[in-house]
Amino acid sequence: DQQVKQNSPSLSVQEGRISILNCDYTNSMFDYFLWYKKYPAEGPTFLISISSIKDKNEDGRFTVFLNKSAKHLSLHIVPSQPGDSAVYFCAASVGANDMRFGAGTRLTVKP
Amino acid sequence: ETGVTQTPRHLVMGMTNKKSLKCEQHLGHNAMYWYKQSAKKPLELMFVYSLEERVENNSVPSRFSPECPNSSHLFLHLHTLQPEDSALYLCASSFEEQGYGYTFGSGTRLTVV
Repeated sequence: DQQVKQNSPSLSVQEGRISILNCDYTNSMFDYFLWYKKYPAEGPTFLISISSIKDKNEDGRFTVFLNKSAKHLSLHIVPSQPGDSAVYFCAASVGANDMRFGAGTRLTVKP
Repeated sequence: ETGVTQTPRHLVMGMTNKKSLKCEQHLGHNAMYWYKQSAKKPLELMFVYSLEERVENNSVPSRFSPECPNSSHLFLHLHTLQPEDSALYLCASSFEEQGYGYTFGSGTRLTVV
């Protein structure tokens, strides 16, 4: 079964507001989590990551939260900008191997 | 099982060998992709096939040769690789017109010695 799940295929947010993208995982052995951003006709690009020893990592407008007890990961973008419109993939791995990706969530930020 | 199956899971090959990676999906998707995941690097798109025709080749060296015989199968043929080609090779599929809903395989961990 899919070990990394993004249950919302799409999300629409107004410019300036917060975007929250969610990801759930089932494998408690995952120790590294990443978010990728993908524009049309391009490969996914790395956005932000978090190790399982942390519960929060922040980089500018992007913050990733990890709730290990709930096996839940979220990406917060604040404030959202039209250029953030893209598909966002959640990924998880055990060490450097066996990275699993979610199906992606398409974020649309409306001006 | 994610719906996209990649074989083998691990592969060790010499620089003079010829090998092939296989990807299979039975999700009814009409687009398939090869990605390369190198250590500490972003995921790199290598090839895109839509309706069994190659639509994108991101300047990948000719020692990597893709093949898409039908909408359910995708191959990556490897020959005379270099040690720097060692990486995780991921296959994915999707409904191209949706632009999301990618299903990724578990990948093949390739080591070139």
